[in-house]
Amino acid sequence: RKEVEQDPGPFNVPEGATVAFNCTYSNSASQSFFWYRQDCRKEPKLLMSVYSSGNEDGRFTAQLNRASQYISLLIRDSKLSDSATYLCVVNELTDSWGKLQFGAGTQVVVTP
Amino acid sequence: GAVVSQHPSRVICKSGTSVKIECRSLDFQATTMFWYRQFPKQSLMLMATSNEGSKATYEQGVEKDKFLINHASLTLSTLTVTSAHPEDSSFYICSAKPLLLAGGSYSSYNEQFFGPGTRLTVL
Repeated sequence: RKEVEQDPGPFNVPEGATVAFNCTYSNSASQSFFWYRQDCRKEPKLLMSVYSSGNEDGRFTAQLNRASQYISLLIRDSKLSDSATYLCVVNELTDSWGKLQFGAGTQVVVTP
Repeated sequence: GAVVSQHPSRVICKSGTSVKIECRSLDFQATTMFWYRQFPKQSLMLMATSNEGSKATYEQGVEKDKFLINHASLTLSTLTVTSAHPEDSSFYICSAKPLLLAGGSYSSYNEQFFGPGTRLTVL
């Protein structure tokens, strides 16, 4: 079983619409959670951290459900520039280095 | 701040040759750098954790004699793919964990900054 699982998509979203997707993680001892964005053939870039109480950053809202071991990302008022692959990332504090486990990503395609 | 560079960005080589990839933190010091590999439509897989001045820690299934890592300074780590074969063709990405962010703010222990990646094609 993969450490971090995501629906690969693609999620085809009309411009201006809302899209949401989840990711599940297997290690209940995971400490920190993130959403990264990766454009085609580029490196991942941090979109936002995910806090226990849930948090918003502009049009992006992240939620964490520790009991069910999943995190979610919601994008409101989708823009064409939101088209990307969104990576769910979980930090397993197995040592002081903070090992990141990446999901395979959820592809979002925003259409005009 | 917190910029990581990688060189080269793209390399094509013949089977059996060795390829060295450099990862540099440009405006911060990084005691720990990480090397990942990503195959098409797959997640980033951690290959090894590199600590300045000590031996790298390799993930299970990653051959340490094939993927040589050197972290000689607080701003540079190198990954050498020795005797590369077509199955080593992949996107190699490094990340660095800042000791101290530019501007004086401390990084949370979780934060990593990624290099732009190196696309390796072995013919």
